[in-house]
Amino acid sequence: QVQLVQSGAEVKKPGSSVKVSCKASGGAFSTYSINWVRQAPGRGLEWMGGIIPVFVTPNYAQRFQDRVTITADKSTSTAYMELSSLRYEDTAVYYCARGNEYGDPEHYINVWGRGTTVTVSS
Amino acid sequence: QTVVTQEPSFSVSPGGTVTLTCGLSSGSVSTGHNPNWYQQTPGQAPRTLIYSTNIRSSGVPDRFSGSILGNKAALTITGAQADDESDYYCVLYMGTGIWVFGGGTKLTVL
Repeated sequence: QVQLVQSGAEVKKPGSSVKVSCKASGGAFSTYSINWVRQAPGRGLEWMGGIIPVFVTPNYAQRFQDRVTITADKSTSTAYMELSSLRYEDTAVYYCARGNEYGDPEHYINVWGRGTTVTVSS
Repeated sequence: QTVVTQEPSFSVSPGGTVTLTCGLSSGSVSTGHNPNWYQQTPGQAPRTLIYSTNIRSSGVPDRFSGSILGNKAALTITGAQADDESDYYCVLYMGTGIWVFGGGTKLTVL
């Protein structure tokens, strides 16, 4: 059973960057998508981007294109999401979530980490 | 800009049936969008209910079912229970690795 373990809570100042990690265990890593989804307080889920580690090149939601970088380290089965130029409104819980394997005709996001709280505060 | 639409809120009586929908601001939802549905309670990570339109995730009771109804994806809950009171989210696959979530539906069971 795949599990995703995320890094701990962060408090950051406006204008700085944050890097959140997501370590997968209990299953294959390189050929499955890892997605990043955030949820601001009292708001809905928002897909930020994803990566299939074996292919390296990530996909990003247009609104985060300029500020987010998603990477993956196959040797440690760990994915990372870095968000730069932080603003107060980036305060949110950031989830990683595993999706379908590359080549699967069915597309899904089905295994979730517990989330990492990022607080942007001066 | 693609917008995925969901009812902001819905209520159902205990034991009743409710259908939540997931649409597009422009165009129709099809199986090609691989609709996924999630349940979320406050302070918890989302729980996957349905993926690829109508496939129940492991351990999800068959009271939950997914379908395409008209031009929208739908999540139907039959025999609603008190602990079904949650937020429900759909997400649609737009191709080339891109997903878009709906705004979520707050379901009240009363």
